[in-house]
Amino acid sequence: EAQVTQNPRYLITVTGKKLTVTCSQNMNHEYMSWYRQDPGLGLRQIYYSMNVEVTDKGDVPEGYKVSRKEKRNFPLILESPSPNQTSLYFCASSFDKRQGRGPLHFGNGTRLTVT
Amino acid sequence: GENVEQHPSTLSVQEGDSAVIKCTYSDSASNYFPWYKQELGKGPQLIIDIRSNVGEKKDQRIAVTLNKTAKHFSLHITETQPEDSAVYFCAASKGDYKLSFGAGTTVTVRA
Repeated sequence: EAQVTQNPRYLITVTGKKLTVTCSQNMNHEYMSWYRQDPGLGLRQIYYSMNVEVTDKGDVPEGYKVSRKEKRNFPLILESPSPNQTSLYFCASSFDKRQGRGPLHFGNGTRLTVT
Repeated sequence: GENVEQHPSTLSVQEGDSAVIKCTYSDSASNYFPWYKQELGKGPQLIIDIRSNVGEKKDQRIAVTLNKTAKHFSLHITETQPEDSAVYFCAASKGDYKLSFGAGTTVTVRA
């Protein structure tokens, strides 16, 4: 089954404790992206990757890191989480970086709480 | 950058009635307008999209209209059913790597 898999689904952590949220897709997609969803703000892009070893900042990259060492994986790293990073996070992928050439496929989300 | 505004933020409709969600965009170069539906506990899923060379598109009970002059587009759901209850997001893109989303509309269909 074609899918984007995120882990974990739920994560509670404390300020400053480094964490990684994993994302993997099995559709051989070139483009991958991370979003955060907050009430009243919709989906905001954190980072995106157009291919292996190619990553770039989205609209809200502060406090986050990503890497794209393999085509299928795109982990999101919070080196020193803070409470304002409490949010619902989504990983997404599409076969072409140009929007409109195929849908974005989203994972089921990671609910992160930073205390 | 592109700014997408979406209204209303919440919408409650009686089963069988119609629901309309409206979005406006700021960048006249935007040419691709998808709509995503997010069910509880899941990620958003594309339900319909429209390109700037088309004024209207239908798919069974859902339709999207686009007014390029006014820079707004709308989602219409007819004969609403309980399974239409979800959060709906509009988005806009210039056909490049960037997709800008609206804030979302929570639709509740009352039985």
